[in-house]
Amino acid sequence: AQTVTQSQPEMSVQEAETVTLSCTYDTSESNYYLFWYKQPPSRQMILVIRQEAYKQQNATENRFSVNFQKAAKSFSLKISDSQLGDTAMYFCAFIPNSGNTPLVFGKGTRLSVIA
Amino acid sequence: SQTIHQWPATLVQPVGSPLSLECTVEGTSNPNLYWYRQAAGRGLQLLFYSVGIGQISSEVPQNLSASRPQDRQFILSSKKLLLSDSGFYLCAWSVGLASTGELFFGEGSRLTVL
Repeated sequence: AQTVTQSQPEMSVQEAETVTLSCTYDTSESNYYLFWYKQPPSRQMILVIRQEAYKQQNATENRFSVNFQKAAKSFSLKISDSQLGDTAMYFCAFIPNSGNTPLVFGKGTRLSVIA
Repeated sequence: SQTIHQWPATLVQPVGSPLSLECTVEGTSNPNLYWYRQAAGRGLQLLFYSVGIGQISSEVPQNLSASRPQDRQFILSSKKLLLSDSGFYLCAWSVGLASTGELFFGEGSRLTVL
């Protein structure tokens, strides 16, 4: 079974600084997708960034980027120039490309951006 | 554009009472639908998912059930609520069984069982 582990229940960062959220996963699949989702205090979950396992290049979306280490099964999220609006729960998620199972989420990391 | 609605947003129910949470999706056809529960410190737990009308897959044994009476309608129910059913329930949809992975979430329903 696939598992996703986020080892940091809570983190904080000063506004304008950079923070990295950790995520590791376990799978026997060779092709899959990894995601970071953001859940702001308003509660509606949105997709932040997606990485396809067969792509070696790390995905980036504006201030958000990932460090994907396939051999180590690691998928960390880096937020640059942190903003107050980045305060949220962040969930790492995994799905195999076989399409036979739904998305598997980690337990989340609560990030607080401090002014 | 596609939208997803779920209601009620907040619900306070006594132990042993029934439950019905409803979710509807607009702007797409034949979506895959999901019910997740979010409890403090436990992340997102997948409860049910559906790939079509009347097709429900259960991920966790519990006193909850799900139904999909229409293509874009997904209902979470219970005949008798337990204290442990308290939590934040999220409905979501995707195209296909998440072949590209992206889920679109509703705004959530906060259930408190007293």
